[in-house]
Amino acid sequence: EVQLVESGGDLVQPGRSLRLSCAASGFIFDDYAMHWVRQRPGKGLEWVSGINWNSASIGYADSVKGRFTISRDNALNKLFLQMKGLRTEDMGFYYCTRETFDCSGGDCYSRGFDYWGQGTLVSVSS
Amino acid sequence: SYELTQAPSVSVSPGQTATITCSGDKLGERHASWYQQKPGQSPVLVIYQDNKRPSGIPQRFSGSNSGNTATLTISGTQALDEADYCCQAWDHGTAVFGPGTKVTVL
Repeated sequence: EVQLVESGGDLVQPGRSLRLSCAASGFIFDDYAMHWVRQRPGKGLEWVSGINWNSASIGYADSVKGRFTISRDNALNKLFLQMKGLRTEDMGFYYCTRETFDCSGGDCYSRGFDYWGQGTLVSVSS
Repeated sequence: SYELTQAPSVSVSPGQTATITCSGDKLGERHASWYQQKPGQSPVLVIYQDNKRPSGIPQRFSGSNSGNTATLTISGTQALDEADYCCQAWDHGTAVFGPGTKVTVL
């Protein structure tokens, strides 16, 4: 059974740092791209960052670029999000999610985010 | 930056068809995915690559995508389908989500 379990969410003051973790199990972790998606209170989903299987390709939303760093440890089956300079607008649930692809003849197409963790809550307040 | 728009809410009677649309510039040239999210729960993928259903998703969920609009259709809507539905597409390596549509089954 595929499981994604986030941890590390906490209440922090603006400007502080936080590191989120996602423990993956039930699948071959280094076969998949992984992402962080957040949801502010009462709002929709917002993609934060993504990383491919071997960390060679990484992307960030403009809203977090330069402040957040995504990484993974395939030996430990873990995904991380280092967050620095936190702002009140960074508050919300942070979900770890897996992206699956269909590949044929050298072309790959995303099958979307097929598994999600339960989320970890980040609160930013003075 | 690329944007997706959705109507805030849709109401449907049990057994009827719910149609949820997602609009974006030339969205039909990209693949669209749809996610269902119930209160207090994590999102669930219900449609990917415009019209494909993941394993375990009921056949009453279907999708299409053409021009500037992707559509999620729920046929024979059931009370348990009441949820927020959000579309998603890719733009230059970043995932873009629509704001979501709340489907109410009256």
